[in-house]
Amino acid sequence: KQEVTQIPAALSVPEGENLVLNCSFTDSAIYNLQWFRQDPGKGLTSLLLIQSSQREQTSGRLNASLDKSSGRSTLYIAASQPGDSATYLCAVDGGYQKVTFGTGTKLQVIP
Amino acid sequence: EAGVTQFPSHSVIEKGQTVTLRCDPISGHDNLYWYRRVMGKEIKFLLHFVKESKQDESGMPNNRFLAERTGGTYSTLKVQPAELEDSGVYFCASSQGRADYGYTFGSGTRLTVV
Repeated sequence: KQEVTQIPAALSVPEGENLVLNCSFTDSAIYNLQWFRQDPGKGLTSLLLIQSSQREQTSGRLNASLDKSSGRSTLYIAASQPGDSATYLCAVDGGYQKVTFGTGTKLQVIP
Repeated sequence: EAGVTQFPSHSVIEKGQTVTLRCDPISGHDNLYWYRRVMGKEIKFLLHFVKESKQDESGMPNNRFLAERTGGTYSTLKVQPAELEDSGVYFCASSQGRADYGYTFGSGTRLTVV
């Protein structure tokens, strides 16, 4: 059974800092990994999708890496802004279209 | 293109009542999934449709939950009778093919059972 862990559970940083969110998973036989953000009272917004054959994906100030062998993914946010405050979730697709989510990291960027 | 649409966005019902949640996937997406997030816990898979067929319903918590996808278009998730522990956010997602492009999620339905 796939288990997905996200560390830290909560993070508070001053505006402008670079930060890294971590996601680890127990079963490396994955199809892809997706990072989402969830704003309070809203749905899930897809940020980045990394296929199992890829090592990283970039979108603007976001960079996600994937190391299947070690069961880890990181989401790097450069020059954080107050608008980045949200809960960030990683989701692992085990290839049978049943996605396992992590518990999330709640990020607060302080102006 | 329109995204995944869910309604209602929020529902408050009394214990013992029935609630029906609806999800409209992206047009052309054969795969439709239901997930839920109970307060303070991770998001968990409920079930997966391929067109109108239930591909995997191993995550359905009990027989008070009934999901349908008539005609392979929109899906409904009925909870009858609702219990307090059913409170949470119910998400729907759709994907095209084998989700090479990932999943698109709806905004969720927040269900509160009082």
